[in-house]
Amino acid sequence: GEDVEQSLFLSVREGDSSVINCTYTDSSSTYLYWYKQEPGAGLQLLTYIFSNMDMKQDQRLTVLLNKKDKHLSLRIADTQTGDSAIYFCAESKNTGKLIFGQGTTLQVKP
Amino acid sequence: EAGVAQSPRYKIIEKRQSVAFWCNPISGHATLYWYQQILGQGPKLLIQFQNNGVVDDSQLPKDRFSAERLKGVDSTLKIQPAKLEDSAVYLCASSLVGPGAGGPNEQFFGPGTRLTVL
Repeated sequence: GEDVEQSLFLSVREGDSSVINCTYTDSSSTYLYWYKQEPGAGLQLLTYIFSNMDMKQDQRLTVLLNKKDKHLSLRIADTQTGDSAIYFCAESKNTGKLIFGQGTTLQVKP
Repeated sequence: EAGVAQSPRYKIIEKRQSVAFWCNPISGHATLYWYQQILGQGPKLLIQFQNNGVVDDSQLPKDRFSAERLKGVDSTLKIQPAKLEDSAVYLCASSLVGPGAGGPNEQFFGPGTRLTVL
């Protein structure tokens, strides 16, 4: 099936770490992605992870992948007010098609 | 490098009217996607082109939606006639590589067209 699930809302204080979680269903997905969407804007690719990897770090972003449980997480260290946005995880099909979750709204309080 | 361009940015129509959206992908990008994003949901793929051929249109409601990509560059998406449930943001994206190329498929998104059907 094609189903990607995310929690809908996360609120953190500026300077704290944020962890956004995602579960997916298709174990054949080669790459898994995290996109960011700011109000009135299109989606921006933040990072991706190859399905054979467990972890990927990119500056303040850390992606963890548990392939056995089909669980993906995005950790943002030292969260800033500019990180407030909707975050989407997505799995890819071999055609290039992306299946998106419903998005997690991250609210960062000063 | 110029990003993906879309127009119009906003459109308000009445049900049963027709509407068309336009997308200009990043120069040199072979693959073009149209997604529908209903409020509070993630984007859902409507149609995917590689050059001017259709790769996937399984989720396109073909009784009312049509899309074309003439000359493998710009694309238009049309809805005729529109229904209330078509109210959404229509996102166009493009990627350099196509299916089967290997490696991550980085898709670049335009700002979207927000459609309201009254």
